Amino acid sequence: NAGVTQTPKFQVLKTGQSMTLQCAQDMNHNSMYWYRQDPGMGLRLIYYSASEGTTDKGEVPNGYNVSRLNKREFSLRLESAAPSQTSVYFCASRGDGNQPQHFGDGTRLSIL
Amino acid sequence: EDQVTQSPEALRLQEGESSSLNCSYTVSGLRGLFWYRQDPGKGPEFLFTLYSAGEEKEKERLKATLTKKESFLHITAPKPEDSATYLCAVRFLGGQNFVFGPGTRLSVLP
Repeated sequence: NAGVTQTPKFQVLKTGQSMTLQCAQDMNHNSMYWYRQDPGMGLRLIYYSASEGTTDKGEVPNGYNVSRLNKREFSLRLESAAPSQTSVYFCASRGDGNQPQHFGDGTRLSIL
Repeated sequence: EDQVTQSPEALRLQEGESSSLNCSYTVSGLRGLFWYRQDPGKGPEFLFTLYSAGEEKEKERLKATLTKKESFLHITAPKPEDSATYLCAVRFLGGQNFVFGPGTRLSVLP
């Protein structure tokens, strides 16, 4: 019962470095999401993918890119990391209809 | 603009002291309201979905209710293991996505 798996769990980067956060789900869900969570601000949507082969911007997409590699995997890339991108990043997946989202345990990212 | 607010921001209860958390929303049309529990260092864990005003869902010491513009999460006789941050999220009609509130941080003291 892995559900949604995110790697790595922790990462420290220097300003300007690049990095890819990985997410995989084993529930055969079509929809996948990337959020960031900052203190006092709740979860904010970065990008989402309604199905394999499609991606769309969310509320805060600037500085990020995504790839829906296949139905299972959805990665988030920071091309040139900035201190403002220090956050906890969560991946989620969801079945069809009005199903709830299922979340991974997050990647804690610090940009120095 | 669709917004979701939660109150209070933080709540401290004694074990056994019942209370309620509030989630208010301004979306034009509700497709579903979702409650999650989040423990420190973990991702949100799904609790309930509510679809229409008047609906109620229960799980152990938790009961979620829904009106046209807000939802309440009632906690009856809480235990220390109920300590967590409780998040609500709203999915609006015509939308693919979910709008999350900032959460209520609940502490239950023994």
